[in-house]
Amino acid sequence: DAKTTQPTSMDCAEGRAANLPCNHSTISGNEYVYWYRQIHSQGPQYIIHGLKNNETNEMASLIITEDRKSSTLILPHATLRDTAVYYCIVSSGNTPLVFGKGTRLSVIA
Amino acid sequence: DTAVSQTPKYLVTQMGNDKSIKCEQNLGHDTMYWYKQDSKKFLKIMFSYNNKELIINETVPNRFSPKSPDKAHLNLHINSLELGDSAVYFCASSHHNGNTEAFFGQGTRLTVV
Repeated sequence: DAKTTQPTSMDCAEGRAANLPCNHSTISGNEYVYWYRQIHSQGPQYIIHGLKNNETNEMASLIITEDRKSSTLILPHATLRDTAVYYCIVSSGNTPLVFGKGTRLSVIA
Repeated sequence: DTAVSQTPKYLVTQMGNDKSIKCEQNLGHDTMYWYKQDSKKFLKIMFSYNNKELIINETVPNRFSPKSPDKAHLNLHINSLELGDSAVYFCASSHHNGNTEAFFGQGTRLTVV
């Protein structure tokens, strides 16, 4: 079973920041927080991952709380093409990713 | 070049038939996976192979038989297809030991009629 809890759905206005929360209160010390997204039945796409420090790449930023029990994925300027299901996953990297139900993000013009 | 490629993209077949789905990755990864996404959109791990060896089999019926001829390929053969096998099957690959990302193929939509 997935070890994360995410809201079922969220809306975001185009051009605004999309902040997607995730709770992972049972995360272990060696587990990373990964974010993937799936755009309309395409294969899941990697976005970003981190252990305890905040991370940023060309797609998004990942903010992890100091106690590591929750995190937020930030898409700084959401576009219509960011409409997708976003999955937050905790994994040590040695086992297959376990997907939960994710958050369906709808970016609205 | 496509990192993880699956063929075919669509597959429609009758109940009772045997079919195969092929997967190839050109990323030099040592671990490959098969996932199943059903009509409710849940993505579930089926198999995991590391260096051609099966390491995880998640209670999948033995009608499903993965085969890995080499590290770059993981094929999925399904015998005696049933209506409930209809789903989208995704292949993926990654490095086994490490905090690196997994790459997914574009999926094979299997419809059993």
